Amino acid sequence: EDQVTQSPEALRLQEGESSSLNCSYTVSGLRGLFWYRQDPGKGPEFLFTLYSAGEEKEKERLKATLTKKESFLHITAPKPEDSATYLCAAYPGSQGNLIFGKGTKLSVKP
Amino acid sequence: EAQVTQNPRYLITVTGKKLTVTCSQNMNHEYMSWYRQDPGLGLRQIYYSMNVEVTDKGDVPEGYKVSRKEKRNFPLILESPSPNQTSLYFCASSPRADTQYFGPGTRLTVL
Repeated sequence: EDQVTQSPEALRLQEGESSSLNCSYTVSGLRGLFWYRQDPGKGPEFLFTLYSAGEEKEKERLKATLTKKESFLHITAPKPEDSATYLCAAYPGSQGNLIFGKGTKLSVKP
Repeated sequence: EAQVTQNPRYLITVTGKKLTVTCSQNMNHEYMSWYRQDPGLGLRQIYYSMNVEVTDKGDVPEGYKVSRKEKRNFPLILESPSPNQTSLYFCASSPRADTQYFGPGTRLTVL
């Protein structure tokens, strides 16, 4: 069964304290791995798409990487405005739906 | 501005009273989808549509209906809502089925 697991469930950082969020997937024929940011009560906001192992994408303090079994979202020197829930999703391609993980809730304290 | 819109944003209703949540996108996307989000369960897909007049079930379709008569609109219909359908609902659209763009959400409470 296709599955996406994110860890940790919650992460508390001090401002400036770099860390990584993990997304492990078991998806046959992965066609894409996606990262979204979600603020409370709002719709997920698209961040990155990764298509093949070894690929990296960057945006401001965020960098996403992909291996054959997992993806990481690295956050460098985070700020309080980076506080949000980060969602990972896999697209198997064989069916018309994304498979979402349950998310990592990130809190960055000043 | 490219966007996905949903209406209403908040709705409180009673068991059994039919309701429709509208979803519209202005990006000419072929793919549209509905999700529900519940604490501890994450985002779960209800229905999706690959194109006009083409719809298919997602992971949790029971109690819901959809239609896709026009490319830009994808309404979600609850013909007889029940309290277990209290949730936060999101519509999404995509040029294909991968990179999806989400609407602002509809918070539904069924009493």
